[in-house]
Amino acid sequence: EAGVAQSPRYKIIEKRQSVAFWCNPISGHATLYWYQQILGQGPKLLIQFQNNGVVDDSQLPKDRFSAERLKGVDSTLKIQPAKLEDSAVYLCASSWGPDNEQFFGPGTRLTVL
Amino acid sequence: GESVGLHLPTLSVQEGDNSIINCAYSNSASDYFIWYKQESGKGPQFIIDIRSNMDKRQGQRVTVLLNKTVKHLSLQIAATQPGDSAVYFCAEKMAGGFKTIFGAGTRLFVKA
Repeated sequence: EAGVAQSPRYKIIEKRQSVAFWCNPISGHATLYWYQQILGQGPKLLIQFQNNGVVDDSQLPKDRFSAERLKGVDSTLKIQPAKLEDSAVYLCASSWGPDNEQFFGPGTRLTVL
Repeated sequence: GESVGLHLPTLSVQEGDNSIINCAYSNSASDYFIWYKQESGKGPQFIIDIRSNMDKRQGQRVTVLLNKTVKHLSLQIAATQPGDSAVYFCAEKMAGGFKTIFGAGTRLFVKA
């Protein structure tokens, strides 16, 4: 069974630029999560989807971050404009449902200069 | 807000010894606890979980202990191997909620 795929694996941008990350969850998983992991910290949930609907986006900085999962499968996370403090690893995870085991992708390491 | 924390940021053990990684949580309403392992350049990987109605659960070489009285969680790894070197996170989920809250992590070094 293929795991969660993410791209790109690495991205370096300058502050105020825009960036987008892509996630392809495990086939059949209805729940998709985006986490931000700052160096030396645990992952922090940014947004959680159930199929194509948002379940929780309480910690998503909505003035600059947006995410969508239009067809209930793949998802994109966008940052516009980026700030220095957005430098982190962005992890995507998926699960059969909100109470099932989460499977994580390898993450996208973002560096904002 | 409520958060999950860890007692030690770094743990170094000799290969073959047992490892114990500790975690404190502050929300008595937490219903479900999970331990994850994260290797360099990879996403967290599920190790073992435990629900609040249990105080011990065993897996292959790993045991999780839950002490609700003092809000403490521990992960025990038997016969630690070099491949166990990683950062370990405890995480909690609130009863009736979906959000998983991660602690800061403990880095485990295994000396050969």
